[in-house]
Amino acid sequence: GAGVSQSPSNKVTEKGKDVELRCDPISGHTALYWYRQSLGQGLEFLIYFQGNSAPDKSGLPSDRFSAERTGGSVSTLTIQRTQQEDSAVYLCASSLGRGTEQYFGPGTRLTVT
Amino acid sequence: AQSVTQLDSHVSVSEGTPVLLRCNYSSSYSPSLFWYVQHPNKGLQLLLKYTSAATLVKGINGFEAEFKKSETSFHLTKPSAHMSDAAEYFCVVSPINTGTASKLTFGTGTRLQVTL
Repeated sequence: GAGVSQSPSNKVTEKGKDVELRCDPISGHTALYWYRQSLGQGLEFLIYFQGNSAPDKSGLPSDRFSAERTGGSVSTLTIQRTQQEDSAVYLCASSLGRGTEQYFGPGTRLTVT
Repeated sequence: AQSVTQLDSHVSVSEGTPVLLRCNYSSSYSPSLFWYVQHPNKGLQLLLKYTSAATLVKGINGFEAEFKKSETSFHLTKPSAHMSDAAEYFCVVSPINTGTASKLTFGTGTRLQVTL
C-alpha cells in the first residue's frame, strides 16, 4: 500500500520567506509526527498530532514554526521568515496510534539561501 | 527523560564478516527501543523493535538486537555483512507507559561501511 508521502521533495527559498511543507500520512494512521534532520543537530522531534490536535509541540524551535492537521489526515508544517539555520531535511512519520511503530516519509530537503 | 548514545560514529567491516553497532540508552520509564536504517537519499526504515517482550529481537535483512537491562544496552548485530548493508543506522528510544506522546529520541547515528 501507499506509504507516507511528503511534498515538495526539495525546496530552495530565500532568507525571510515563508515556506509550507506537506505530509500525507498512511491512510488510517491517527498519529502524525514531524522531525528535523540537520548536520549539526541530528534527528530532532518537532511536533506530534493525535487526530487534529497537537498534544506535544515541545520540539518546535521557535514561534516561527507552526503546524496544523486537518481532517485527521494531511498535515502542513509552516516556517515563517526562514533563516539559514532552518536548512535541514524535514521528516514526517505516521503511526496507527500512540506507542506504535512509526513509518517515515522520504522527507523534504529545505535549503535557505 | 530519555536518551541514546551510539558509541561509534563510523564502523567499517569487510563483506562476510560480523557487524556490531553499539547503543546504550537512558530512560526514566520502561523504554521501547528501535533500530532504523537510512540509505543514501532514502527515508528511514525500521529494522527491528523491542517493546518489553522477548529480549532478543530479530529484524529484517538478518539483523538482530539484544535488550540488556543490566547494561542498558541494545546493540545491533548481523553475522555476515553484505555490501547492501552500507548505510546510516540510528538507535532510537521511546518511552512507554507515560501517557504522553511517543516521540522518538534518536541517537547520533553510526555510518556502516562495507568493503570487499
